[in-house]
Amino acid sequence: QKEVEQNSGPLSVPEGAIASLNCTYSDRGSQSFFWYRQYSGKSPELIMFIYSNGDKEDGRFTAQLNKASQYVSLLIRDSQPSDSATYLCAVNIGSNFGNEKLTFGTGTRLTIIP
Amino acid sequence: KAGVTQTPRYLIKTRGQQVTLSCSPISGHRSVSWYQQTPGQGLQFLFEYFSETQRNKGNFPGRFSGRQFSNSRSEMNVSTLELGDSALYLCASKGRDTQYFGPGTRLTVL
Repeated sequence: QKEVEQNSGPLSVPEGAIASLNCTYSDRGSQSFFWYRQYSGKSPELIMFIYSNGDKEDGRFTAQLNKASQYVSLLIRDSQPSDSATYLCAVNIGSNFGNEKLTFGTGTRLTIIP
Repeated sequence: KAGVTQTPRYLIKTRGQQVTLSCSPISGHRSVSWYQQTPGQGLQFLFEYFSETQRNKGNFPGRFSGRQFSNSRSEMNVSTLELGDSALYLCASKGRDTQYFGPGTRLTVL
């Protein structure tokens, strides 16, 4: 089993709809979780991070974390064509400061259809 | 505040050569991590440096090495290049909560 798993997609969503991206992880001790967006040919850029169970909202983006189910998701409301990109889920494997390692999923390619 | 910078941005080498990549983190950040990104394997962690010491290491062969200087700038070296080393090499500067990536160095090995 991979440490961080994502559906590779592609995921196609109509403009204005909600895009839902999912990620599962294997290490129950993981403490922090990140979503990065990567446009083709560019480096990943941070969208959100979440540490606690529940929802965290930032503008059109909502991250959801369920540690019991080892599941983290990203919702994008009112999807725009500019949201078309690959979304990477990253998990900090290792709970001790100084022993952290960011492990990435392979990414989900999202396409917003005008 | 200036972002993470990486040099060079593009590099072409032949098999058997060695290469050195450079990364300057965000001012005030002391941790630098290096990643390799390929279409097949995705983003894979190489190593992390903090205050000139390697603090964490991924599962890459010894041909991949790095170091960090007192000003937090970091270099990564790959010796005896193989075709499979062709990739985008990203460095990330870590602040209090998370990492910020540089633009990357695209290495092509012929």
